[in-house]
Amino acid sequence: ETGVTQSPTHLIKTRGQQVTLRCSSQSGHNTVSWYQQALGQGPQFIFQYYREEENGRGNFPPRFSGLQFPNYSSELNVNALELDDSALYLCASSRDKETQYFGPGTRLLVL
Amino acid sequence: AQSVSQHNHHVILSEAASLELGCNYSYGGTVNLFWYVQYPGQHLQLLLKYFSGDPLVKGIKGFEAEFIKSKFSFNLRKPSVQWSDTAEYFCAVNFLTSGTYKYIFGTGTRLKVLA
Repeated sequence: ETGVTQSPTHLIKTRGQQVTLRCSSQSGHNTVSWYQQALGQGPQFIFQYYREEENGRGNFPPRFSGLQFPNYSSELNVNALELDDSALYLCASSRDKETQYFGPGTRLLVL
Repeated sequence: AQSVSQHNHHVILSEAASLELGCNYSYGGTVNLFWYVQYPGQHLQLLLKYFSGDPLVKGIKGFEAEFIKSKFSFNLRKPSVQWSDTAEYFCAVNFLTSGTYKYIFGTGTRLKVLA
């Protein structure tokens, strides 16, 4: 166990809906990164937040957005869901952008 | 475009066999390198990392990896695998570009160790 928690564990949405996923980082960690892992693939970097500001972004469209709160927990929001958004969403926390510790993930299914 | 390639998607070994998993990346600047492991039903966890210094790094559970800068490689090795090493292994890099960090993972290698 890494101390990184994510909620919910599973979620089913329909195309066009919006979803919010949540992550609580490990104690003492100020950096949170989000990843999308499709079946049979490695995690794809969505973005990173450091001290409440976006600090890096992968090749994801603007309908993927995030927030980091003063307690360093984080949210990932996805608008206008598409079928291809079905995946495992992973959150990872770290201290000062160093080694990341991953949570268990949220499995999202878009119908 | 930057990428990480893991050459073997599936590997099957008998216990006590030696393991080497290949990882190559494409990025011309300074990188940090990682191997992560995901045991069945568990989270991704860090196996080892390289930031700087000795290019031969040792991780948990007897794993080691060697960074060869000229080959853009960071291969994972273990002299003698155990049944409990059955897992999926991911190579990853991170680097600073335009003042922000990016992380790239390989597609993973599924290792099955036969008892």
